[in-house]
Order: sequence, then C-alpha cells, then structure tokens
Amino acid sequence: DVKVTQSSRYLVKRTGEKVFLECVQDMDHENMFWYRQDPGLGLRLIYFSYDVKMKEKGDIPEGYSVSREKKERFSLILESASTNQTSMYLCASSPRTNEAFFGQGTRLTVV
Amino acid sequence: AQSVTQLDSQVPVFEEAPVELRCNYSSSVSVYLFWYVQYPNQGLQLLLKYLSGSTLVKGINGFEAEFNKSQTSFHLRKPSVHISDTAEYFCAVRRYSGNTPLVFGKGTRLSVIA
Repeated sequence: DVKVTQSSRYLVKRTGEKVFLECVQDMDHENMFWYRQDPGLGLRLIYFSYDVKMKEKGDIPEGYSVSREKKERFSLILESASTNQTSMYLCASSPRTNEAFFGQGTRLTVV
Repeated sequence: AQSVTQLDSQVPVFEEAPVELRCNYSSSVSVYLFWYVQYPNQGLQLLLKYLSGSTLVKGINGFEAEFNKSQTSFHLRKPSVHISDTAEYFCAVRRYSGNTPLVFGKGTRLSVIA
C-alpha cells in the first residue's frame, strides 16, 4: 500500500515562530502536494512539486515556502506563523497522472 | 484552468435511502475525475475514479458515479446509505497532461440519520 506520512497530527505554535511540516512518501512518486483545508472552502493548493528541487505555486502560496531535496520528502515551511494560518494541512503524492494519495493531515493551531 | 462545483454543501438523508451528491466541472482540456471521502480527523481516501472507457464507474463501499461529458458532470450515487457513510465527500479533476495538481470542489457533508 502507498503510504504518505506527515510528521505530526497536531501542532501548536506561537505567532511569529518558523514552522516546518514534513511529509514522506514511500512509492517513488514524481509529484507531491501541500493543500490547506478550511471549513466551507474545501482543499486549496499551496504548492506542488513535480520533481526534486522543482516547485510550483498553487492558489494560496503567500506566507509559505517549500523544500524538496529528496524525491520522497516534501516540506512545507511557515516563515513566520500567523493566527490566520491555523488550519488543517494535507500532504499528498501521486505518479505523473492518476490519483493522489493523502497523508492523515496535520492540524496546526497558531496562538 | 479547471474548476469544480459541488452543488450541495450539506446533504441529510435517512438510513437505507438512496443518495446523490452532485459535481460539475469546468475545463477546456480533457481531465480525469475523482471522488474522495474524508472521515472525521482523517486524510482523504479515494472512492472511485474515471480515467477513460465506460462512463459508469463503480467504487468502494457500494458507491458509483457516472461521467457525463455533455453536461460536464460526475455525480456520485449510492442506492442505500448506512450510518457509517456519514462523512465529507470531495469531487476533484486533474488534467490529462500530467504533472499537474488535482483541483477540488468545496466538499459535501453527507449526514445519515437513523
């Protein structure tokens, strides 16, 4: 089975902190994604990567950056966390086409 | 660009009744279509997908969906729902060309009432 693992299920951080969300996949997928999920807004794409060291902005990249140094790992970075970044963050991976496989999500609270 | 509209944000239904969750999409290019389910405090799980071929697609847990190209729709159906089907359901599209993200609708919350 494909496994996408997010490093934390729940995180609480203070405003202004630098926050790292880590995601690892074990299926050698080319593509990896970070989505943000908020009630009534569905899943919104923050960034995606189609290869090592390659990245593309999604719909809401402001306040976020990403890193993909190895094929299996895709990190989301909040440079200076703010309360409006309190949300559920979902990582996914996929082959070049076809469906995406999701991790369990990280619920981030910024206080 | 692609977009997905899920026409109902909430659908309450009695147990053992049929249900249809509606999804319309917009795209100028060919797309793959997906339905995902999310149970509370979990990630998304694939229910079914349309890649090509037969327009009626069967998925897990007794769900099925029909691709209608002329109406750009991909509605999800189940003939008889169970309490355990209570969850949020997301419709998504992805361009054929590859190395592109999935675009999601805003979700439909299905509540099954005993």
